[in-house]
Amino acid sequence: QKEVEQNSGPLSVPEGAIASLNCTYSDRGSQSFFWYRQYSGKSPELIMSIYSNGDKEDGRFTAQLNKASQYVSLLIRDSQPSDSATYLCAVRTSYDKVIFGPGTSLSVIP
Amino acid sequence: GAVVSQHPSRVICKSGTSVKIECRSLDFQATTMFWYRQFPKQSLMLMATSNEGSKATYEQGVEKDKFLINHASLTLSTLTVTSAHPEDSSFYICSAPPGSDTQYFGPGTRLTVL
Repeated sequence: QKEVEQNSGPLSVPEGAIASLNCTYSDRGSQSFFWYRQYSGKSPELIMSIYSNGDKEDGRFTAQLNKASQYVSLLIRDSQPSDSATYLCAVRTSYDKVIFGPGTSLSVIP
Repeated sequence: GAVVSQHPSRVICKSGTSVKIECRSLDFQATTMFWYRQFPKQSLMLMATSNEGSKATYEQGVEKDKFLINHASLTLSTLTVTSAHPEDSSFYICSAPPGSDTQYFGPGTRLTVL
């Protein structure tokens, strides 16, 4: 079992729609969770971090965490073509390593 | 936010040569920096943790004699790919935590070994 898994892509949504990205992790002792966005040929940039169960909102982005289900998600509201990128879920595990998921490619169609 | 720089951004070299990549934290001190490698259409794979003033910690499967890491100051870590071969061609990215739980990534170095 991979340590961090993400829903397989690519994911295509029309402009203005909600994009939903999912991530599951295997280490139940993990405490910190991150979403990064990576454009082709560029390094990742941090979108959000979340540490507690529930929702965390920042502008058009909402991260959701459910530690009991070992599940993290990212919702992007009012998706824009500029949101087209690969989204990486990252988890800081109980042994203090940050492990990245394989990424989900998102395409927002104008 | 915190800024991390990398140099060079792109390097092309012949097989057998060594390549040095620098990672600098510009507006904060970092006792720890991380080096990642990313192959096309794959995720980031942690190679090693660079520790200021002590030896780096390498992940399983990463050859410490091939990927030399030096963290000589609180703002600079270097990764040297020794005797590079075409299979070492990849996107190398460093990151540093500015004292919080998050990491800030450098812009990456694209290495192509001919």
